[in-house]
Amino acid sequence: GAVVSQHPSWVICKSGTSVKIECRSLDFQATTMFWYRQFPKQSLMLMATSNEGSKATYEQGVEKDKFLINHASLTLSTLTVTSAHPEDSSFYICSARDSGGRETEAFFGQGTRLTVV
Amino acid sequence: GQNIDQPTEMTATEGAIVQINCTYQTSGFNGLFWYQQHAGEAPTFLSYNVLDGLEEKGRFSSFLSRSKGYSYLLLKELQMKDSASYLCAVTDSNYQLIWGAGTKLIIKP
Repeated sequence: GAVVSQHPSWVICKSGTSVKIECRSLDFQATTMFWYRQFPKQSLMLMATSNEGSKATYEQGVEKDKFLINHASLTLSTLTVTSAHPEDSSFYICSARDSGGRETEAFFGQGTRLTVV
Repeated sequence: GQNIDQPTEMTATEGAIVQINCTYQTSGFNGLFWYQQHAGEAPTFLSYNVLDGLEEKGRFSSFLSRSKGYSYLLLKELQMKDSASYLCAVTDSNYQLIWGAGTKLIIKP
């Protein structure tokens, strides 16, 4: 199946610093990528939809100035958590669907566990 | 609003069969997915249903009734490694994935 690579797998950063997470589709083109956040024992929560070549669409309650999303190419989207705080510690997961089919499943990256200390 | 309901937790015995139900109310329907998620890992795709009926794939089967807004995931010959969360997700009329909260399945020896 298709592969989505997410990097890094885990990161520890100091409060107030910024962290960049990359999401790449390795063998298919993804016009749209999705960023999720998951707190322990909770379901996936969609943060934003990343559209290649245009601005991301953020879900209600997600600060677009804090969670910067860039989708510069059909195979790469990045999420930057700016001025991270301990409450931003979470599991961040990206997913992508093949641009060729709207009814295909979403392929997920491995996830990034962010710990802000 | 859009809503997907699944039981929060289920317990089953190794070697047995378990059925995890999912009911949905969404604005339009363009398919239903089941994913498996082990703790600390990303979800992995299990099945996709867009037409009514049963889709069988090895030990796992998934059923869909669009008129009832209902699906179930059936796991047979349960193994300890099947202990995980099982997520139901529906694609709405805008092809957005709406996620259920997931069902934590605990397998006991």
